[in-house]
Amino acid sequence: QVQLVQSGAEVKKPGASVKVSCKASGYTFTNYYMHWVRQAPGQGLEWMGIINPTSGSITYAQKFQGRVTMTRDTSTSTVYMEVSSPRSEDTAVYFCATGGPKSYMDVWGKGTTVTVSS
Amino acid sequence: EIVMTQSPATLSVSPGERTTLSCRASQSVSSSLAWYQQKPGQAPRLLIYGASTRATGVPARFSGSGSGTEFTLTISSLQSEDFAVYYCQQYNNWPQYSFGQGTKLEIK
Repeated sequence: QVQLVQSGAEVKKPGASVKVSCKASGYTFTNYYMHWVRQAPGQGLEWMGIINPTSGSITYAQKFQGRVTMTRDTSTSTVYMEVSSPRSEDTAVYFCATGGPKSYMDVWGKGTTVTVSS
Repeated sequence: EIVMTQSPATLSVSPGERTTLSCRASQSVSSSLAWYQQKPGQAPRLLIYGASTRATGVPARFSGSGSGTEFTLTISSLQSEDFAVYYCQQYNNWPQYSFGQGTKLEIK
């Protein structure tokens, strides 16, 4: 079955970059786009961006442009999301989710908790 | 950016009752609207896409309607497992997506 397995929880000091992975299985990796969504403690869902696993092209939400980098490795069916110079406000659960072009998110990873604290 | 606004923020309802959640878009999103359910400590789960199509395995008591800028999610008879937070999301402005702020459905 379609599955997205995310990397484990991270604790980082402010300014030390953090990279989260999301490994896909159960489908052809290049057939579906991958989104990243985050959720700060007690808050709602926030869309961060989308990557095309085939071409590697990325669209970021304006808020994250320049601070977040999304990449993919087609050989391992894995996508990555890196936050550079994270601040305490980046403390959140980060989810990956897959979906078709111009379509909804139908399969979600379980989430990765990132804590940024001095 | 398309802004999605959900109302109310919190809804207190008794089990067995019918309830309706609302979602409004700042501009037309056609029928490119999805609803997700999220329970504490879990990832969101897709309930409805295309404004009115139930996702695989979603009970028939969940129904979605609307198009353009006004949408609703109706739960016909609330079960204990339905108490959760519900989010709407537009995908018409692809590849820029946006979520509503969520409606928390709590037991009255």
